[in-house]
Amino acid sequence: DGGITQSPKYLFRKEGQNVTLSCEQNLNHDAMYWYRQDPGQGLRLIYYSQIVNDFQKGDIAEGYSVSREKKESFPLTVTSAQKNPTAFYLCASSSETGVNQPQHFGDGTRLSIL
Amino acid sequence: AQSVAQPEDQVNVAEGNPLTVKCTYSVSGNPYLFWYVQYPNRGLQFLLKYITGDNLVKGSYGFEAEFNKSQTSFHLKKPSALVSDSALYFCAVKDMDTGRRALTFGSGTRLQVQP
Repeated sequence: DGGITQSPKYLFRKEGQNVTLSCEQNLNHDAMYWYRQDPGQGLRLIYYSQIVNDFQKGDIAEGYSVSREKKESFPLTVTSAQKNPTAFYLCASSSETGVNQPQHFGDGTRLSIL
Repeated sequence: AQSVAQPEDQVNVAEGNPLTVKCTYSVSGNPYLFWYVQYPNRGLQFLLKYITGDNLVKGSYGFEAEFNKSQTSFHLKKPSALVSDSALYFCAVKDMDTGRRALTFGSGTRLQVQP
């Protein structure tokens, strides 16, 4: 089945530690996105990428980094500079052949501080 | 800039009654509008979208939404609610006329359907 796989489902971070969240898609989509979800705040865009080897900052990029070396993969690193990383992180992808295509979402990674 | 407002944190409705979840938007150009649903500890699932054409859009699971340009609204509706419709619903917008390809989401509305 085609879809988006996020791993791990749960992740714990220690103080001063960087952690990387994985996102893989087999939908052959060009565009990929990372969102952060906090209670009562909806989804906020962290980074997005419309093509391999290119990405743009979203609304809350500080303390995060990404790479897009392969079309299928868009990992997100939560760095020690992100002082409040506890949240539910969602990865999404969409086809760019038509800009009106809906985004497909993975099932998320829940990150907590130890 | 593009933005979305969902004025109700929670909507309660009895099973079998019609439901409405409200959404208003703001864009500088023309909007693409979307509704998504989220079940606990899951990602978002696409319900329906408005791009152009008919103002009444039909989507998955019996949901529909009405686009109203003068009121800048895109309310989600269903004629007869089911207990299984209980979930978190998000409205999202993309401005057709800007370079930003990412969606802007509302804060979400929790729908509770009582048996």
